[in-house]
Amino acid sequence: AQTVTQSQPEMSVQEAETVTLSCTYDTSESNYYLFWYKQPPSRQMILVIRQEAYKQQNATENRFSVNFQKAAKSFSLKISDSQLGDTAMYFCAFMRRGSQGNLIFGKGTKLSVKP
Amino acid sequence: ETGVTQSPTHLIKTRGQQVTLRCSSQSGHNTVSWYQQALGQGPQFIFQYYREEENGRGNFPPRFSGLQFPNYSSELNVNALELDDSALYLCASSLKVGLAAETQYFGPGTRLLVL
Repeated sequence: AQTVTQSQPEMSVQEAETVTLSCTYDTSESNYYLFWYKQPPSRQMILVIRQEAYKQQNATENRFSVNFQKAAKSFSLKISDSQLGDTAMYFCAFMRRGSQGNLIFGKGTKLSVKP
Repeated sequence: ETGVTQSPTHLIKTRGQQVTLRCSSQSGHNTVSWYQQALGQGPQFIFQYYREEENGRGNFPPRFSGLQFPNYSSELNVNALELDDSALYLCASSLKVGLAAETQYFGPGTRLLVL
């Protein structure tokens, strides 16, 4: 069975600085996808970034980028130029290719951006 | 483009009762997945509906059931409610094309409290 581990329950960063959130996963699969979702206090889960395991190039979306280390089964999220609106719970998630919609989530990291 | 919507936003029930939660998928999407998110935890996959049939199921008992309608909207039904069913219930829609891992887009959730 696949598992996703986020070892940092809480983190804080000053506005405009950079922060990295950690995620490791365990799987015997070779074809899979990894995601970072953000859940602000409004509760709605918002997709931040997606990575296909077969792609060696790390995904990037504006201020958000990942460091995908397939052999180490590590998938960290870097947020550059942190903004107050980045304050949220961040969840790392795994999906096996061909699975029936089963996203497996970590327990989340609570990120606070301080002015 | 209309996003994923869910109703109601909040619900209070007593133990033993039954509840129905509703979800409208994002326009252009044909698949709906349901997740249960207990307080302080990551979401857990309940099941997915595609072409009006259950297409995959997590580790939830049969008293959790669902429906998908021709317009791709969906219902989650929970019978014989237990105190541990208190949680945020999230619906996510996606476009299923072959075996590709479709990105799931989440609704705002329904907060269920069982007394």
